[in-house]
Amino acid sequence: EAGVAQSPRYKIIEKRQSVAFWCNPISGHATLYWYQQILGQGPKLLIQFQNNGVVDDSQLPKDRFSAERLKGVDSTLKIQPAKLEDSAVYLCASSLVGRGETQYFGPGTRLLVL
Amino acid sequence: GEDVEQSLFLSVREGDSSVINCTYTDSSSTYLYWYKQEPGAGLQLLTYIFSNMDMKQDQRLTVLLNKKDKHLSLRIADTQTGDSAIYFCAESINSGNTPLVFGKGTRLSVIA
Repeated sequence: EAGVAQSPRYKIIEKRQSVAFWCNPISGHATLYWYQQILGQGPKLLIQFQNNGVVDDSQLPKDRFSAERLKGVDSTLKIQPAKLEDSAVYLCASSLVGRGETQYFGPGTRLLVL
Repeated sequence: GEDVEQSLFLSVREGDSSVINCTYTDSSSTYLYWYKQEPGAGLQLLTYIFSNMDMKQDQRLTVLLNKKDKHLSLRIADTQTGDSAIYFCAESINSGNTPLVFGKGTRLSVIA
């Protein structure tokens, strides 16, 4: 079974530029999460989708971050404009719908903002 | 509120047992997880435990849960150099699909 796919794996941009990340979840997984992992810390949730609807985006900095999952499968996360503090690894995870279903993580996109 | 605490570093000799500890604050947590992260990689689920269990064993891994003290531990028997990684404790609340709340991770170094 293919795992969660993410691209690009690495991205270097200058502050105030825009960047977009892509995630393809495991086939059949209706729930998709984006987490931000700053160096030396554990991942923190940015946004959670179930199918193409947003379940929780309370931690998403909406003035610069946006995310969509238009057809309930792939998702994109965008940052515009980027700040230095956005340097982090952006992890996508997916799970089946249900109580306590395991979340499976992709390899992440490592973003460096200069 | 939700908060998960872990010690940051652990160093053990190859062949010894490793014990990684975690405390959590949310009493409504009902699923507790251990994930492993190797350099440059995503998170790999190692094991999980339901809050109505005290212990779970899976090959070299043993998870102990003290719900009264809100303390979770992961024991790795016969630790190998390939076990060197960062180990994250995470909790979630039993209300359907809920996001995980992670600790900062414990960096395990195995000395040959």
